[in-house]
Amino acid sequence: AQKVTQAQTEISVVEKEDVTLDCVYETRDTTYYLFWYKQPPSGELVFLIRRNSFDEQNEISGRYSWNFQKSTSSFNFTITASQVVDSAVYFCALSEARVGGSRLTFGEGTQLTVNP
Amino acid sequence: EAGVVQSPRYKIIEKKQPVAFWCNPISGHNTLYWYRQNLGQGPELLIRYENEEAVDDSQLPKDRFSAERLKGVDSTLKIQPAELGDSAVYLCASSFSGRAPEQFFGPGTRLTVL
Repeated sequence: AQKVTQAQTEISVVEKEDVTLDCVYETRDTTYYLFWYKQPPSGELVFLIRRNSFDEQNEISGRYSWNFQKSTSSFNFTITASQVVDSAVYFCALSEARVGGSRLTFGEGTQLTVNP
Repeated sequence: EAGVVQSPRYKIIEKKQPVAFWCNPISGHNTLYWYRQNLGQGPELLIRYENEEAVDDSQLPKDRFSAERLKGVDSTLKIQPAELGDSAVYLCASSFSGRAPEQFFGPGTRLTVL
């Protein structure tokens, strides 16, 4: 069975601070995908990033960066120089890597509030 | 490129009434998903379609929920009869299995059962 844990229920920061969202996962699959989604107050889930289990290279994309460590089953997400528009619920998710698609297993989400 | 379209956006019904949700996926996406999101939680899969075939419906409460995806394009999710515990946001997502695994979500239908 797959499981995703986001231990941080709520985080509050002041604009321009860096913030890291934690994600720990469990899976028996040898190959899998990890995702981060953003859910603003409007409610629509927005895809942010995806990592493959066989690629542990960490990357930076604009103000977003992520740290994937297979040895500790963690997939943390960092927003640099946070902005008020970053306020949302952020979900970490996991899926089996298979042709044809697979269900996403989501964590409980982390509510991020960025104050001006 | 148009995103995933869902209707209605909001629905309020009395318990024991039927309700239906409609989803039109992104053009060309052959895989379609229905998720349910309870308040304060992450979404959970109800059913996954590959083209017209339901390939993962283990979480669908089949005594009251049904779904169809005729012609492998749009899909309808139905609840009959609705119960108080069905109040949630119902999300539709789609992906193209031959390209990338990320799923793209619609705006959801917020269902309130009174």
